[in-house]
Amino acid sequence: ETGVTQSPTHLIKTRGQQVTLRCSSQSGHNTVSWYQQALGQGPQFIFQYYREEENGRGNFPPRFSGLQFPNYSSELNVNALELDDSALYLCASSTGQGRNTFGSGTRLTVV
Amino acid sequence: QQQVKQSPQSLIVQKGGISIINCAYENTAFDYFPWYQQFPGKGPALLIAIRPDVSEKKEGRFTISFNKSAKQFSLHIMDSQPGDSATYFCAATEGGSQGNLIFGKGTKLSVKP
Repeated sequence: ETGVTQSPTHLIKTRGQQVTLRCSSQSGHNTVSWYQQALGQGPQFIFQYYREEENGRGNFPPRFSGLQFPNYSSELNVNALELDDSALYLCASSTGQGRNTFGSGTRLTVV
Repeated sequence: QQQVKQSPQSLIVQKGGISIINCAYENTAFDYFPWYQQFPGKGPALLIAIRPDVSEKKEGRFTISFNKSAKQFSLHIMDSQPGDSATYFCAATEGGSQGNLIFGKGTKLSVKP
């Protein structure tokens, strides 16, 4: 039990559709980051939110967007899904001084 | 370009042996170097981390060696156990422990009984 919960655990979508992935962090974890992990690869940073504002973004197109809510939950939205978006999506949260704690991820398959 | 290069891609070690995984980086602004352990179906879990002002850090059977001049760091797992079989990732950040993690590609470790 890491304290970071992601839902759903698995998801299958069709190319061109939109998807929303959810993450629930521990109380007090005001920083949340999202990562994409392709099969057999290391996670790649998508973006980070701090106190509900985007606080850094990796090399991902604008169709990847996010939200962070006051209750320490967050969302990753992906529009116009492509086959290459198939991956494990990881949420990581932390306090202002702590280390990142990862959830178990959402396995997204785009067909 | 790959900012953190990790090797080997896979590693097989006998129970009780030493597992060694190496990483190299280019960005001298990196100031925090964690290692993560990931089991199938799970997210990465922080194992041990080091800052560049320290050359070695040990926690139990896990040791990080850090060579700032060579821009290299390595993970040593002493007395490797079958339960250590997992994928290990090195990472680096510019923003301390809060920074955006740049991961290596991972090393799949198998410890044979």
